[in-house]
Amino acid sequence: DGGITQSPKYLFRKEGQNVTLSCEQNLNHDAMYWYRQDPGQGLRLIYYSQIVNDFQKGDIAEGYSVSREKKESFPLTVTSAQKNPTAFYLCASSAGLTDLGLFGAGTRLSVL
Amino acid sequence: AQSVTQPDIHITVSEGASLELRCNYSYGATPYLFWYVQSPGQGLQLLLKYFSGDTLVQGIKGFEAEFKRSQSSFNLRKPSVHWSDAAEYFCAVARGGIKAAGNKLTFGGGTRVLVKP
Repeated sequence: DGGITQSPKYLFRKEGQNVTLSCEQNLNHDAMYWYRQDPGQGLRLIYYSQIVNDFQKGDIAEGYSVSREKKESFPLTVTSAQKNPTAFYLCASSAGLTDLGLFGAGTRLSVL
Repeated sequence: AQSVTQPDIHITVSEGASLELRCNYSYGATPYLFWYVQSPGQGLQLLLKYFSGDTLVQGIKGFEAEFKRSQSSFNLRKPSVHWSDAAEYFCAVARGGIKAAGNKLTFGGGTRVLVKP
């Protein structure tokens, strides 16, 4: 079945540590997105990529980095520069406007 | 810049009663509008979307939404709620009229729905 897979489901980060969240899709979608969700604030866009080897900053990119070496993969690294990383992270993908709205199940990141 | 407002943070409704969730957007051109539902600890599920045409949109789980351009609104409704409808609901807008790939969603803050037995 086609879909978007995020892993791990839960992740813990120590102070000063970088952690990487995985997002894989087998839908052959060109565009992929990372959102951060905090209580009461809805979702905010971190990074997005329209095509392999290209990505753009979203609204809250500071402290995060991404890569897009393969069409099906868009990993997100939460760096030590992100001082408040505790949140629910959601990945999405789309082939076109009518495909907007497909999300993974999310990764919950907490700080130890 | 586009923005989405969901005025109600929480709504409590009795099982079997009707439900209406409000969504107001700000966008200069024709918006593409979405409603999502999120159960605790889960990802987002798309309920319905509006691109063009009939302003009354039918979605999954018995939900519908009506686009009113004059009021910049896209309210979500359900005639009779079930206990399983207790969740958080998000309205979102995407830019319309441009190449779709890379089109970003702007979300409202969400409305949490509680269902009383």
